[in-house]
Amino acid sequence: AQSVTQLGSHVSVSEGALVLLRCNYSSSVPPYLFWYVQYPNQGLQLLLKYTSAATLVKGINGFEAEFKKSETSFHLTKPSAHMSDAAEYFCAVSEKGGYQKVTFGTGTKLQVIP
Amino acid sequence: EAGVTQFPSHSVIEKGQTVTLRCDPISGHDNLYWYRRVMGKEIKFLLHFVKESKQDESGMPNNRFLAERTGGTYSTLKVQPAELEDSGVYFCASSQGAGRGNTEAFFGQGTRLTVV
Repeated sequence: AQSVTQLGSHVSVSEGALVLLRCNYSSSVPPYLFWYVQYPNQGLQLLLKYTSAATLVKGINGFEAEFKKSETSFHLTKPSAHMSDAAEYFCAVSEKGGYQKVTFGTGTKLQVIP
Repeated sequence: EAGVTQFPSHSVIEKGQTVTLRCDPISGHDNLYWYRRVMGKEIKFLLHFVKESKQDESGMPNNRFLAERTGGTYSTLKVQPAELEDSGVYFCASSQGAGRGNTEAFFGQGTRLTVV
């Protein structure tokens, strides 16, 4: 069985500060890992994905995530927060490869303080 | 190119009524998925179509939920009769078939269902 734990349902950062959203996963096989973002009144948008290639994955809007097998983590970071980054972020895992039956975390709402 | 489209965006119905949600995937996408997020909880997988066939429906909560994908194009998700605990946001996603390179799933905006 696969699962995802996101630490912190709400995270607040100052504009220009580092963004760190934590995600730990559990999977019985090598996983595919994803970060999705949902802006207000919009659908889910893929930020980045790990598919067993490079462990440091770069995504859109300056975000990146590092796959650490020893820590079963896939934390999302961005060096400098922008007001437009305020949204809800979801970490997700898929065991089957590709995008079938993705298991999501509970989400982290990011607030950016001016 | 149009993205995944879901109708309606919001629906408020009374307990015991029937509601039908619709999803139009991106044209040419063989895979279509339904997910649901109940208030404050994680987004949960409901089922997966490959063209018109149900590949995996292990996430469907009970037999009050019926999903169809006629002709392998759009899909409907019917809830009959609706219960209070069915309230939540229903997401649809689609992706290309296997072997076609990028299999990224694209999500719709979701349908917010409120059962009162």
